[in-house]
Amino acid sequence: GESVGLHLPTLSVQEGDNSIINCAYSNSASDYFIWYKQESGKGPQFIIDIRSNMDKRQGQRVTVLLNKTVKHLSLQIAATQPGDSAVYFCAEILMDSSYKLIFGSGTRLLVRP
Amino acid sequence: GAVVSQHPSWVICKSGTSVKIECRSLDFQATTMFWYRQFPKQSLMLMATSNEGSKATYEQGVEKDKFLINHASLTLSTLTVTSAHPEDSSFYICSARGNLDTQYFGPGTRLTVL
Repeated sequence: GESVGLHLPTLSVQEGDNSIINCAYSNSASDYFIWYKQESGKGPQFIIDIRSNMDKRQGQRVTVLLNKTVKHLSLQIAATQPGDSAVYFCAEILMDSSYKLIFGSGTRLLVRP
Repeated sequence: GAVVSQHPSWVICKSGTSVKIECRSLDFQATTMFWYRQFPKQSLMLMATSNEGSKATYEQGVEKDKFLINHASLTLSTLTVTSAHPEDSSFYICSARGNLDTQYFGPGTRLTVL
């Protein structure tokens, strides 16, 4: 189930189950979105991206869905593994000259063996 | 994939001293580098955008005289925390953007100010 921690919400799933991590973004003009995975004490690692002219993109075991109407992004992880345990952040970019990434608040994924 | 390194990976310093953190793109030229700060259990907050050969653009609330950024080459940007205080203790992360849209992140630098 999902719970709200002091700063990061946590999603706890059983190994082998599918995980769905949600994110609400802020700027309706953002046109590029990225999901990052961050393990403790490390920098963010790119997982998958999607442009605003798409509503779905699939990678290896991961799928990103984009709903621009409600400014919502989701990351689906199939057959979740213990190595997937980390904090996941969505990020939005307004592709003007700055290319600044604006990060969401993040979700901690815990995979139970 | 593209590799970005940071040095040092962790540093402990006394209050009032200055600390320099390096960010390097190892196998590509980075037209733009970004510096972020991350407090425990929180998200990454953009501090500044650095373009090679020009002055950095700082986000609102970030003191440019305290956090000096230099982007002297297409593969190196430095962040100097001047007169560091305990409240500056944080995880500092850089990212580098090449010719494509993707930003590649460094491994981060843990700064502890005593």
